[in-house]
Order: sequence, then C-alpha cells, then structure tokens
Amino acid sequence: EVQLLESGGGLVQPGGSLRVSCAASGFTFNTAMSWVRQAPGKGLEWLSAISGSGGSTYYADSVKGRFSISRDNSKNTLYLQMNSLRVEDTAIYYCAKGGAARSSDYWGQGTLVTVSS
Amino acid sequence: IQMTQSPSSLSASIGDRVTITCRTNQSINIFLNWYQQKPANAPKLLIYAASSLQSGVPSRFRASGSGTDFTLTISSLQPEDFATYFCQQSSITPYSFGQGTKLEI
Repeated sequence: EVQLLESGGGLVQPGGSLRVSCAASGFTFNTAMSWVRQAPGKGLEWLSAISGSGGSTYYADSVKGRFSISRDNSKNTLYLQMNSLRVEDTAIYYCAKGGAARSSDYWGQGTLVTVSS
Repeated sequence: IQMTQSPSSLSASIGDRVTITCRTNQSINIFLNWYQQKPANAPKLLIYAASSLQSGVPSRFRASGSGTDFTLTISSLQPEDFATYFCQQSSITPYSFGQGTKLEI
C-alpha cells in the first residue's frame, strides 16, 4: 500500500525558515514527486517537482528562489526547504507521488504551515 | 498556462448527470488530470491524460478533450460524489490547477 506521510509543519514567523518532509513507503521511491499546497479555504497550488534521481527540479514562480525541493532515495524521503516565509505561504502542504502522464496519483494527508507573528 | 474551470459551483441531485469544463489558454495535448477533494481530505486522482480512468475510480466518471478544451462528466450522481473537483495541466511546469468546482446537493 502506498503511503506518504508529511511532517515538519508548524508555526513560523515571517522571514523564517522551515523544512517539511514526506516519508514514502509501499512503492519504489525513485519516481517523480511533487509538492502542492492549499491555503485555508482556497484551491490547490502546484509548487515544485523533482525527478526520480533528483537531478531535475521545477518550481512555481511564487516560490522560486525561496523554496528548495530535494530527496534522499536511501531514506525514501522527500523534502521541501522553505526560506523567507511570508504570511501568504500559510497553507496545508501536500506531497504527491508522480503517476501516469505526470499526474499525481497518491497524496499524503498534508502538514499545516502557519506563517504569523 | 492559465486554467479556466467552470462552473465554480454546481447544485445537483442524486442521480443527476453533471459536466464540469476546463479550458487552457494554450494547447496541452492531452496532459490534463482531474482530482476530487472532500473536506479535510487530500485530493484524489480520478482521471489522467484527459480521459484515462485511474484504477479504482467508478466508471460513472468520464472525461474527454484535447488541446485546450476538456470536460469531466459524472453520470448518475451518488452521495459520495459531492465534493470539489479540480483540473490540472501537466504539459508544462508549473503544473497549474483550475480554480475548482464545488458540487453540492
């Protein structure tokens, strides 16, 4: 059974940093992975993706230069390092497994990041 | 790529047939996915590559389209189908989502 478990969310002040993690199990981890967020009461926002090897990364303009995606295939874990956090980064952060046609076929339950003073 | 999903909300009854549309501002071939999200839950993939049904998804969910115009149709609505639906293009990063369609009873 595919499982994705995010962790590392919490309360952080504007300008601060946070790293969220996604522990994967139940599948061969060397597949593309993504991060997607959802602000309270809002829609889905694609943030970033990484290839199975980690050699290629992609970002939304809203987080480019502030967020960094990475992975440790030996630990079956995906990461999102978030720097220079803003109030508008407050959201639930989901990790998702890459599926056919670059869809996201499995999602974690998300971790809440709150940016507030 | 800009995504325009409509309607933003929709009221329907059990047994109804409903259609949600998604339009892009440039051609994405068939790189269009549909997700369902219920309150306090993560999204769930329904359809990938415009018309391919994800494993385990009921056949009452059907989708079609290519290029810039896509539709998701749910025939004979069931109580568990009342949720919010999102389209997503996966042709070019950033893989943008539509604004969502809230399907209500």
